[in-house]
Amino acid sequence: AQKITQTQPGMFVQEKEAVTLDCTYDTSDQSYGLFWYKQPSSGEMIFLIYQGSYDEQNATEGRYSLNFQKARKSANLVISASQLGDSAMYFCAMREVKAAGNKLTFGGGTRVLVKP
Amino acid sequence: NAGVTQTPKFQVLKTGQSMTLQCAQDMNHNSMYWYRQDPGMGLRLIYYSASEGTTDKGEVPNGYNVSRLNKREFSLRLESAAPSQTSVYFCASSRRRTGDSNQPQHFGDGTRLSIL
Repeated sequence: AQKITQTQPGMFVQEKEAVTLDCTYDTSDQSYGLFWYKQPSSGEMIFLIYQGSYDEQNATEGRYSLNFQKARKSANLVISASQLGDSAMYFCAMREVKAAGNKLTFGGGTRVLVKP
Repeated sequence: NAGVTQTPKFQVLKTGQSMTLQCAQDMNHNSMYWYRQDPGMGLRLIYYSASEGTTDKGEVPNGYNVSRLNKREFSLRLESAAPSQTSVYFCASSRRRTGDSNQPQHFGDGTRLSIL
């Protein structure tokens, strides 16, 4: 079974609008961490935001925020006021307590295209 | 401000040839990782090294070997390249995880490897 599921292979968003990228996960651990990475067309992986399973507040980093619903096992990324530079692939990843070595499991990604 | 450096950036091999991908980080991180990314997919862990002197298999280790040469360097070797190993290879590093750490993995820019 997939541990990280990103159901939206691709999305269009109008510049200056907000977009929500879905991520659901599967774990039996009580303690885990969720990460979002951005991969622009140039190929590098850029860390965006982190949510810990015990964090009471949803994480925010500038225009990025995480809608964390623990009971539903979802950690959706919200990008507000989209910019043309936000066009990229976005990956959700999870680290479980049981996973030695700080390993991450990645979802399949969502491609976002921002339209001017 | 190098971070994680991978060499080479591009390589074309013939089936059966061998090759070593090099990775070095200058952030004094304990843990290092090798991933592969196939077209339109997320990253899959090949091998990782939780700390200097240790290496462990990830999700897709077959056909690969690794060496943690020292704290800074972690190399990935293809002994007999196959077309199925055509992919983009990413090296990453992170601090040793303590508790529910928010330490992200930092990625190199990737190596695009084509095997004919």
